Amino acid sequence: AQSVTQLDSQVPVFEEAPVELRCNYSSSVSVYLFWYVQYPNQGLQLLLKYLSGSTLVESINGFEAEFNKSQTSFHLRKPSVHISDTAEYFCAVNTVSGNTGKLIFGQGTTLQVKP
Amino acid sequence: EPEVTQTPSHQVTQMGQEVILRCVPISNHLYFYWYRQILGQKVEFLVSFYNNEISEKSEIFDDQFSVERPDGSNFTLKIRSTKLEDSAMYFCASRLNGIYTEAFFGQGTRLTVV
Repeated sequence: AQSVTQLDSQVPVFEEAPVELRCNYSSSVSVYLFWYVQYPNQGLQLLLKYLSGSTLVESINGFEAEFNKSQTSFHLRKPSVHISDTAEYFCAVNTVSGNTGKLIFGQGTTLQVKP
Repeated sequence: EPEVTQTPSHQVTQMGQEVILRCVPISNHLYFYWYRQILGQKVEFLVSFYNNEISEKSEIFDDQFSVERPDGSNFTLKIRSTKLEDSAMYFCASRLNGIYTEAFFGQGTRLTVV
């Protein structure tokens, strides 16, 4: 069975500082990896995904994540955060095999960007 | 931009009552899902639906739950007899096809059982 662990429930950071949100997964088969973001009072939005190819993936708003198979991690980073990045961030996996496409989510990390 | 819409945004119901949560997935999508998030806990998979039938369901999705796509546009989750522990945010999601495409989520319905 797959599982996802986000070690940090809350990450407070000052504006323009770098941030890393950690995600580790457990799976006996190959996985696809995702980061979703939830802004206050909104639904889940895909931030970025790793399906195959380059292990470093980037989003349009400056976030990046690196798939590390040996460490079973998919940490999310941003070199300089903005107030508008304040949100809940969810790491998720689904397995390559099978076709239901269900996602297994981590517990979520609240990113609080302070001025 | 197409989006998944859910109604209502907030539903309060008495314990033991039936409740139906409604979702309109993106029109050309083929895979549909319900997830829930109990306050302070992780988002949990409930059920996936493809080709007019359930393709996978979790242990949470017991006989009290059912899903339906009655008219080719709506996708509903019914809870037959609500319990206090059903209080949660329920998210609907849809995908164009299988695991290779992004899942689009609705804004959620907050269900409060009193």
